[in-house]
Amino acid sequence: AQKITQTQPGMFVQEKEAVTLDCTYDTSDQSYGLFWYKQPSSGEMIFLIYQGSYDEQNATEGRYSLNFQKARKSANLVISASQLGDSAMYFCALNTGGFKTIFGAGTRLFVKA
Amino acid sequence: GAGVSQTPSNKVTEKGKYVELRCDPISGHTALYWYRQSLGQGPEFLIYFQGTGAADDSGLPNDRFFAVRPEGSVSTLKIQRTERGDSAVYLCASSLAPDSRGGYTFGSGTRLTVV
Repeated sequence: AQKITQTQPGMFVQEKEAVTLDCTYDTSDQSYGLFWYKQPSSGEMIFLIYQGSYDEQNATEGRYSLNFQKARKSANLVISASQLGDSAMYFCALNTGGFKTIFGAGTRLFVKA
Repeated sequence: GAGVSQTPSNKVTEKGKYVELRCDPISGHTALYWYRQSLGQGPEFLIYFQGTGAADDSGLPNDRFFAVRPEGSVSTLKIQRTERGDSAVYLCASSLAPDSRGGYTFGSGTRLTVV
């Protein structure tokens, strides 16, 4: 069975500093995709970044990068130069090429001025 | 439209009543999903449509829940005999393909409260 685990219910970071949000996953499939989404207080889920299991490079999208460690089954999100607008819930998600994407419980990030 | 539209944004209903939640996906997105998000949790998969057909409805909790997408665009999630435990935010999303590297585009959700 597929599973996503996010062990940090809440994280604090000082504005302009970097922060790492943890995500581990479990799947027996060899081909899969990992996603991170941001959910501000408005409620809408916003896609941030994608990492394929066969991608040789770690994914990057602007200030977001994904620290993908396949052997450890971890896919941590790194946000550099945090901004106040980064305060939100962050969800890690897994798709194994099937129809459903499963989500973790999320991490709430608080950016302090 | 430019994004995924969900209506209503809020719905309060009495226990035992029937409700319909509507989702209008991005034009051209053949894949459509419904998720349910309870307070403090991640979205929980309900059902996936590819075109008009439900390709995977394994997440529907029981037979009180049903969804349709008759013309391959707009979808309606229907809940019969609502219960207080059905209270949650119901999220709809669409994408070009189920395993799209571009992720899903989500709507703002319908907050359902059963009293």
